Amino acid sequence: EAGVAQSPRYKIIEKRQSVAFWCNPISGHATLYWYQQILGQGPKLLIQFQNNGVVDDSQLPKDRFSAERLKGVDSTLKIQPAKLEDSAVYLCASSSPTGLGGGYTFGSGTRLTVV
Amino acid sequence: AQKITQTQPGMFVQEKEAVTLDCTYDTSDQSYGLFWYKQPSSGEMIFLIYQGSYDEQNATEGRYSLNFQKARKSANLVISASQLGDSAMYFCAMRSYGGAQKLVFGQGTRLTINP
Repeated sequence: EAGVAQSPRYKIIEKRQSVAFWCNPISGHATLYWYQQILGQGPKLLIQFQNNGVVDDSQLPKDRFSAERLKGVDSTLKIQPAKLEDSAVYLCASSSPTGLGGGYTFGSGTRLTVV
Repeated sequence: AQKITQTQPGMFVQEKEAVTLDCTYDTSDQSYGLFWYKQPSSGEMIFLIYQGSYDEQNATEGRYSLNFQKARKSANLVISASQLGDSAMYFCAMRSYGGAQKLVFGQGTRLTINP
């Protein structure tokens, strides 16, 4: 089965610009997650979708970050305007209840550098 | 709230030796799962091993085993006969089977295998 696809792989932007990341989960996985991983730290959950509804966005900085999952498949994460501290790897993951422990599968991530 | 603690920022081990990476967790839930992931420098998150809170036997997957001590709330990863390719970041993670069921990560341990 195909893995979780993310694009772009790398992105460099200036502060105050906007940026968008795209994620295509594994087919049939109802739950989709966006994580932010700052260099040297563990991933931090930004938002969790169940189909196209938001389950948890308690750690999403809603003044600048937004995310959507149209039709319960693909998802986009947007930052507008970006700050220097947003430099991180943004990981998308999807899961299925039939997988071991939830069957989480991660994409390769998008490495964002804000200058 | 769930919390994962990894107290070893870095570990250095000679090739072919066994290594134990520590993980303690905190949760008020009775049903939960514990995971270990490997993240090489390429950035992908590779699933290694899973332990359910009701599993009586410690999980094993090839050279990986999970030393699960429920009363002490610890879930240490043991890698036997370490190899140069084991050099990477290692993350312990937990999910609860109630509520939003999100995957929460620790801060990680950087493992370096010396030849």
